[in-house]
Amino acid sequence: NAGVTQTPKFQVLKTGQSMTLQCAQDMNHEYMSWYRQDPGMGLRLIHYSVGAGITDQGEVPNGYNVSRSTTEDFPLRLLSAAPSQTSVYFCASGRVLGNSPLHFGNGTRLTVT
Amino acid sequence: GQQVMQIPQYQHVQEGEDFTTYCNSSTTLSNIQWYKQRPGGHPVFLIQLVKSGEVKKQKRLTFQFGEAKKNSSLHITATQTTDVGTYFCAENGDKIIFGKGTRLHILP
Repeated sequence: NAGVTQTPKFQVLKTGQSMTLQCAQDMNHEYMSWYRQDPGMGLRLIHYSVGAGITDQGEVPNGYNVSRSTTEDFPLRLLSAAPSQTSVYFCASGRVLGNSPLHFGNGTRLTVT
Repeated sequence: GQQVMQIPQYQHVQEGEDFTTYCNSSTTLSNIQWYKQRPGGHPVFLIQLVKSGEVKKQKRLTFQFGEAKKNSSLHITATQTTDVGTYFCAENGDKIIFGKGTRLHILP
C-alpha cells in the first residue's frame, strides 16, 4: 500500500519555466490537497479537491493550477515559475473533507532560480 | 477568514522537561487535529478532538479541546529526543487550515 506518492522529490527550474508536480493516492480518498511549506509560514493551502471533477482555491492559489480527472491523481501545475515559488510542496489526501485524518506525501523540494 | 493561531513558535527544553503548545481561534472550531513533522519529513496525523472539553492521551502526550471549542493544547510529559519536530494544529472544516506550528528542540 503506497499511500500518497509525490514526484519528483527535487526539482530546479528557471524563472518562466512550467512544470507539473504529480500526486497519486491509492486509498480511494475523495479529498486531496496541495500545501506549500516555507520557513516560519507553516503549511499554506494552495488548492484542494473534494472529489473527481471538483477543485477549489485555498489560501495561496495564484500561480498554480490543478485538475482532478480521476480519484487517484491530483497534479499541481506551475504555469510560469517565479523565485517566490521556491518552497517544499506537500500533497495530502483524506477519506473525506471534514473529519478524516490527512495523509501526506513525502514532499517535493522546488527551487526556482 | 478561518485561522488558527499557534504559540509558541519555538520552544527549547531540556530532555526530561515538559512541553506544551497551544492552538487558539477567534471562532468556534468544528474539530481540531494535531500533526507532527520530524525534521526533513512530512506531517503525520496524531489525533483529532471533536467534543467540547475533550481530553485524549497517547502515552506521554495529552491533548485537550477547550470547553468553548476555541482552543486546544498538546502537552508532552518528560520529553525525549524522539519528540523533536514541529507540531501543527489544524481545523478540518470547510477547508483544512493549519497553524504555523511549534518547533520543539530538545537539549540533551
